[in-house]
Amino acid sequence: AQKVTQAQTEISVVEKEDVTLDCVYETRDTTYYLFWYKQPPSGELVFLIRRNSFDEQNEISGRYSWNFQKSTSSFNFTITASQVVDSAVYFCALSEALAGGSYIPTFGRGTSLIVHP
Amino acid sequence: EPEVTQTPSHQVTQMGQEVILRCVPISNHLYFYWYRQILGQKVEFLVSFYNNEISEKSEIFDDQFSVERPDGSNFTLKIRSTKLEDSAMYFCASSEGSGGSSNQPQHFGDGTRLSIL
Repeated sequence: AQKVTQAQTEISVVEKEDVTLDCVYETRDTTYYLFWYKQPPSGELVFLIRRNSFDEQNEISGRYSWNFQKSTSSFNFTITASQVVDSAVYFCALSEALAGGSYIPTFGRGTSLIVHP
Repeated sequence: EPEVTQTPSHQVTQMGQEVILRCVPISNHLYFYWYRQILGQKVEFLVSFYNNEISEKSEIFDDQFSVERPDGSNFTLKIRSTKLEDSAMYFCASSEGSGGSSNQPQHFGDGTRLSIL
């Protein structure tokens, strides 16, 4: 069975601080995908990243970076120099890699990030 | 920028009634998805759809649920006989590709809030 744990229920930081959101996963699959999504207070979902299990290279996109560590089954997400607009619930998700690149993601419970001005 | 649109934004239905949630994916996208989020809880994958058929579905997506692409633009989710526990926010998403080794971002609609009375 697959499981995603986001142990941090809520994180509160002051603007310009760096913040790391933890994601630990469990799977027996050898090939899988990991995802991060953002849900701002307005409620919509925003896809942030999908990472394949065979690609352990860390990824950076502007102020966002992701650290994938197979050895610790973690896929942590860091926001550098946080801004108020980063305030949102962030969901980590995991899926077995299925035929044709499709997936059935299992989501974590989310981490609520509050960035204070 | 093209976007995924969902209608209605809020649907109120009596228990036992059928409901159809509508989505217009981005026009050149080939993969379509439905997710749901019960209020205050984590996001759950329902179904993915490609080439006019379901490619993957979760355990939640039982016989009460069906999806259809009735024409070249709409992608619908039907719940045949609604239950109280179907009350949730339903998100539609689309993507150009299924993924694999490259990032194929999903684009989400703003969601339809379904309230079952």
